[in-house]
Amino acid sequence: AQSVSQHNHHVILSEAASLELGCNYSYGGTVNLFWYVQYPGQHLQLLLKYFSGDPLVKGIKGFEAEFIKSKFSFNLRKPSVQWSDTAEYFCAVNARGNKLVFGAGTILRVKS
Amino acid sequence: SQTIHQWPATLVQPVGSPLSLECTVEGTSNPNLYWYRQAAGRGLQLLFYSVGIGQISSEVPQNLSASRPQDRQFILSSKKLLLSDSGFYLCAWSVLRDRGEAFFGQGTRLTVV
Repeated sequence: AQSVSQHNHHVILSEAASLELGCNYSYGGTVNLFWYVQYPGQHLQLLLKYFSGDPLVKGIKGFEAEFIKSKFSFNLRKPSVQWSDTAEYFCAVNARGNKLVFGAGTILRVKS
Repeated sequence: SQTIHQWPATLVQPVGSPLSLECTVEGTSNPNLYWYRQAAGRGLQLLFYSVGIGQISSEVPQNLSASRPQDRQFILSSKKLLLSDSGFYLCAWSVLRDRGEAFFGQGTRLTVV
C-alpha cells in the first residue's frame, strides 16, 4: 500500500533562511508526486508536481522539488523563505492514477 | 471550467444523529472522487475514493460510509455519529489525464456534541 512520510512536523525559520522539507514514499511502481500548500484560512492549493522527465521541478513562488527515485524521495526546497511562506505543506503521491495519498504535513513558520 | 461544491461549510450535530455531506463536481466527466479528513498533526487522511458510479473504496474502517449515486456526486454518510467523528472533511476530484492532481472543495467543519 502507498504511504507518505514527512520528516518534520514543525519547522521554524527566519526570513531569508533556506528551506528543505523531506518527503519519502513507499510504492515500487510509477508514481506521480505533488506538493500542496495550505496558507492560514485558505484552501489547499498545488505548489508543484512531478510526472516524468527532469527530476528537478519548479513550482510557484520560487519553490522547487527534486525527485530521487533510488531514495523514494521528493524533497521540497526554497533558497530564501519569506514571512508569507508561513503555511502547512503536504507531500502527496498518486500511483496508477487513482488514489492520492498525503503525508501528515509540515507546519512552517517564518519569523520576520 | 471545473468547479467543486461541498456543503455545508459547518455543521454541529448531536451524538447518535445521522450525517450526510454532499459534494458535486461541475465541468468534467468521470472524475475520481475522494473524501479526506484533515486533523492537526495527521495531515489528510484518505477515507474513501471512487473511480466510477457505485464504485467505492474504503481506506479506513470507521463509522462512516460513502456513496456515488451519480457520476459527479459523492456523498459521505453516517447512521449514528460518534464524538470521534468530529473533524474537517474535504472532498476532492481528479482525472486520469491530469495524472492524479487533485482539486479540493472548501471543506466541512463537523462538530459532534
